[in-house]
Amino acid sequence: AQKITQTQPGMFVQEKEAVTLDCTYDTSDQSYGLFWYKQPSSGEMIFLIYQGSYDEQNATEGRYSLNFQKARKSANLVISASQLGDSAMYFCAMSVSGGYQKVTFGIGTKLQVIP
Amino acid sequence: NAGVTQTPKFRILKIGQSMTLQCTQDMNHNYMYWYRQDPGMGLKLIYYSVGAGITDKGEVPNGYNVSRSTTEDFPLRLELAAPSQTSVYFCASRTGSDTQYFGPGTRLTVL
Repeated sequence: AQKITQTQPGMFVQEKEAVTLDCTYDTSDQSYGLFWYKQPSSGEMIFLIYQGSYDEQNATEGRYSLNFQKARKSANLVISASQLGDSAMYFCAMSVSGGYQKVTFGIGTKLQVIP
Repeated sequence: NAGVTQTPKFRILKIGQSMTLQCTQDMNHNYMYWYRQDPGMGLKLIYYSVGAGITDKGEVPNGYNVSRSTTEDFPLRLELAAPSQTSVYFCASRTGSDTQYFGPGTRLTVL
């Protein structure tokens, strides 16, 4: 069974500073993918970044980077130069490759950016 | 290219009523999914489909039914609405890559 753990219910960060949102995962599969989604107060789910289990480089997408530490089973999201528009819920998720690709979500972290 | 669309955006049902949540994608994705998100929680998979005519249960299928007669459409049916089905419902789709793309959600309240 797959499990995603997000231990930070809420986080605050000053505008223009960097912030790290924690995510640990558990799976016995060797091939899997890790995702981060952003959910603003408007409710939609916005894909941010993806890391495959065999990718050697950490994924980056603009101001988002995924700090992938396979041995520790962690996939932390780093947001650099925080902006007010980054205030949202952030969900870490994992998929196991093959089949219908079951995706397991964490319970989320609420990030608030302070001016 | 509208991506994944869902209708309605909001709905209030009385206990025992039925309704269908619509989901359409215009990206020619084979895989489609229905999730529910309860307050303060992550998403849980209700049903999924790997292509037209093929559907299967996810983690929380009780009280729901789906069909997939075309690649584009994946409606979710609630037959006898219960207060426990009050939630936000998301439809998602993907191709062969891993990333799922979500619709805007339907907020359902059962009173």
